[in-house]
Amino acid sequence: GEDVEQSLFLSVREGDSSVINCTYTDSSSTYLYWYKQEPGAGLQLLTYIFSNMDMKQDQRLTVLLNKKDKHLSLRIADTQTGDSAIYFCAESIDNQGGKLIFGQGTELSVKP
Amino acid sequence: NAGVTQTPKFQVLKTGQSMTLQCAQDMNHEYMSWYRQDPGMGLRLIHYSVGAGITDQGEVPNGYNVSRSTTEDFPLRLLSAAPSQTSVYFCASSFQVNTEAFFGQGTRLTVV
Repeated sequence: GEDVEQSLFLSVREGDSSVINCTYTDSSSTYLYWYKQEPGAGLQLLTYIFSNMDMKQDQRLTVLLNKKDKHLSLRIADTQTGDSAIYFCAESIDNQGGKLIFGQGTELSVKP
Repeated sequence: NAGVTQTPKFQVLKTGQSMTLQCAQDMNHEYMSWYRQDPGMGLRLIHYSVGAGITDQGEVPNGYNVSRSTTEDFPLRLLSAAPSQTSVYFCASSFQVNTEAFFGQGTRLTVV
């Protein structure tokens, strides 16, 4: 079945780059997403990438996609304390109405 | 523009009680879904709907019912609450599948 895996924790210092990794299993996914969840809040879409792209950059965010290895990463440049949150990777399952399958979430802790 | 509104925000139930979690969106989105979030497990899809009158099961549908009589509303019913249903529940909507999903703020449910 479909599965999305992420490491659970990442700790970085303010100003460093953060790299959050994700692996997925469904090769038919058209879209892959990164969502951010701040404490006590719902999820907000950060960025997404089409499956026919290798890279997408959006200000401090860079998404890299390796389709062969089914590996997705999110790089946050110049990480700030306000970036502390849980980051979820998700893939859409095209042959099941585009439903989203989420990873477990990576808790990013940014230390001053 | 309210977006996705979930009520209640918090609820405590006794085992065996039933209740309905409400979800409403004012963005005229066709696609709506319910997820539960448990520690270390990410978000798991309970039920989803691709339009009024159409619903389908997700990964963890047992113990839950849904209906979609209007485009705006997608209530989730717990038929006979069990402690295993203690979780945070999120409703999400999107214009159509494979477009950005907007999440509500969540309902924290405790079953004792």
